[in-house]
Amino acid sequence: QQQVKQSPQSLIVQKGGISIINCAYENTAFDYFPWYQQFPGKGPALLIAIRPDVSEKKEGRFTISFNKSAKQFSLHIMDSQPGDSATYFCAASMRGGSEKLVFGKGMKLTVNP
Amino acid sequence: EAQVTQNPRYLITVTGKKLTVTCSQNMNHEYMSWYRQDPGLGLRQIYYSMNVEVTDKGDVPEGYKVSRKEKRNFPLILESPSPNQTSLYFCASSSPRGRGTGGEQFFGPGTRLTVL
Repeated sequence: QQQVKQSPQSLIVQKGGISIINCAYENTAFDYFPWYQQFPGKGPALLIAIRPDVSEKKEGRFTISFNKSAKQFSLHIMDSQPGDSATYFCAASMRGGSEKLVFGKGMKLTVNP
Repeated sequence: EAQVTQNPRYLITVTGKKLTVTCSQNMNHEYMSWYRQDPGLGLRQIYYSMNVEVTDKGDVPEGYKVSRKEKRNFPLILESPSPNQTSLYFCASSSPRGRGTGGEQFFGPGTRLTVL
């Protein structure tokens, strides 16, 4: 119930390609779905987030698509660049209490020049 | 500069030798958490604190202690470290959702701990 399942575990794309990361959840009480980006040697940092009242959110080359009925959400990175090479984590939380973030296991993205 | 700081950044120790990893934030955040990151397991919450003197267990609390005597500090204590606590540790802080920040968690730079 508290899990967030993320796939794939790793992805290699060419510069200019599209990177897609998928996540699925079970707990319908989740109401906040952020994506975090982590570069080697650094802590994760918020990249983009969505709430279930919208189906899509775009910020620059990064887009979250959200499917409430399927309990799935995904991150699309358009025109992938070598600088996007990082580990990406999806997460989910619910309002109130600890507002604990439940993280997926992460996906390592490599963008080749 | 708004930030979460952790010390030390790297630590090699031996089984059973008590250690403390410090965490401090300058953003006046109520919430603070400790996570460990292990390959293939992602980020798992160890302990969290909703405010001063309020702490609770996360998903993997065994072998760890925390305290929150001041709002800005949230140290992680390993009373008797064991090799299975070798990991990368992150401290994070946030404000409650609904205060404009949306619950964004700000992470420290990490502490790489090796227990021999």
